[in-house]
Amino acid sequence: EAQVTQNPRYLITVTGKKLTVTCSQNMNHEYMSWYRQDPGLGLRQIYYSMNVEVTDKGDVPEGYKVSRKEKRNFPLILESPSPNQTSLYFCASGVGGSYEQYFGPGTRLTVT
Amino acid sequence: DAKTTQPPSMDCAEGRAANLPCNHSTISGNEYVYWYRQIHSQGPQYIIHGLKNNETNEMASLIITEDRKSSTLILPHATLRDTAVYYCIVRPEYGQNFVFGPGTRLSVLP
Repeated sequence: EAQVTQNPRYLITVTGKKLTVTCSQNMNHEYMSWYRQDPGLGLRQIYYSMNVEVTDKGDVPEGYKVSRKEKRNFPLILESPSPNQTSLYFCASGVGGSYEQYFGPGTRLTVT
Repeated sequence: DAKTTQPPSMDCAEGRAANLPCNHSTISGNEYVYWYRQIHSQGPQYIIHGLKNNETNEMASLIITEDRKSSTLILPHATLRDTAVYYCIVRPEYGQNFVFGPGTRLSVLP
């Protein structure tokens, strides 16, 4: 089944404790992206990657890192999480930057 | 600055057509209109996209005005499962990101 998977789905952590949210897709897509969703602010793009070893900032990259060493994986790294990074995070993938992006199920992160 | 304007919410009776408007008066010649929806807190789902011609697929129809300054997404026979937030986005066909605004919260009522 074609899908985008994220792990973990739920995470509660404390300020400053480094964490990684994994994202994996099995559709051989070049394009992958991370979004965060907050009430009243909609979905905002954090980082995106057009292909392996090619990443770029989205609209809200501060406090996040990403890497794209393999085509299928695009982990989101929070080196020192803060409470303002409490949010619902979505990973997405697509063919090139084309019209259809496939979204993962989301990761709900709480930073206390 | 928002590229699209949508009503914050709409209701539709089950079985009737849902017509969701979107205003994109500053759309450029190379920008497409895309529609996605998000059911509860699931990941957004692609619905349809178009440049200037009307488009139809198994989920919906997209009507774009001749001047391309507005469009309407039509769900021909809305069901309760169509209750979701619907996002209208304008972007070049092979652009690098999607900018999701607040969208329209569609409630399909029994």
